[in-house]
Amino acid sequence: SYVLTQPPSVSVAPWHTARISCGGNNIGGKSVHWYRQKPGQAPVLVVYNDGERPSGIPDRLSGSNSGNTATLTITRVEAGDEADYYCQVWDRSSDHVVFGGGTKLIVL
Amino acid sequence: QVRLVESGGGVVQPERPLRLSCAASGFTFTNYGMHWVRQAPGKGLEWVAGISIDGDGVNQKYAHSVKGRFTISRDNSLNRLYLQMNSLREDDTAVYYCAKGTDMAIIPPFHSWGQGTLVTVSS
Repeated sequence: SYVLTQPPSVSVAPWHTARISCGGNNIGGKSVHWYRQKPGQAPVLVVYNDGERPSGIPDRLSGSNSGNTATLTITRVEAGDEADYYCQVWDRSSDHVVFGGGTKLIVL
Repeated sequence: QVRLVESGGGVVQPERPLRLSCAASGFTFTNYGMHWVRQAPGKGLEWVAGISIDGDGVNQKYAHSVKGRFTISRDNSLNRLYLQMNSLREDDTAVYYCAKGTDMAIIPPFHSWGQGTLVTVSS
């Protein structure tokens, strides 16, 4: 089955840029979606179809996808961005939804 | 606005059944595929099952970990999504989320989520 690999954690200082990777075999050929989850809360969609943002999500968050890696980029990081971030794809070959293992964004 | 409210969670003994329900409102339920996603304590998100708008057997998909034990279904007249869980195991312990798909098919992304219901499998 298809596997998505994320780093367990990423640390970044306020106002700097955070990049969270999501690796998968030829992931560039799939649509990648990203969710943010804060402690005790349900996940929230923050980027879909590689780089589109739902209404209400600031343009500080953006996504890219090519080759074997998709990336969620958060510019001008704020304390409120501290959360777990998950990537997600649809694996057409198995008809399964697949999540990455999640990355904890730590704001220093 | 979209609202998804899960219910039916609780403490259940191993091998016993449990049925979860998700009440949907704020959108045309019959236009969207729906999903269950779970999260074990301290762990990541795991997709459990998805169902398309008509819910026939061809259009229900399951994670390998639950296939043959769990059944996803929907009642379009009541705007409700269900998850029948049989032969529960301790590793099924998790918060179970109901999520709204993108369109009629069983594909992500999931634009809306409920707040979840906790299922604890323990003797």
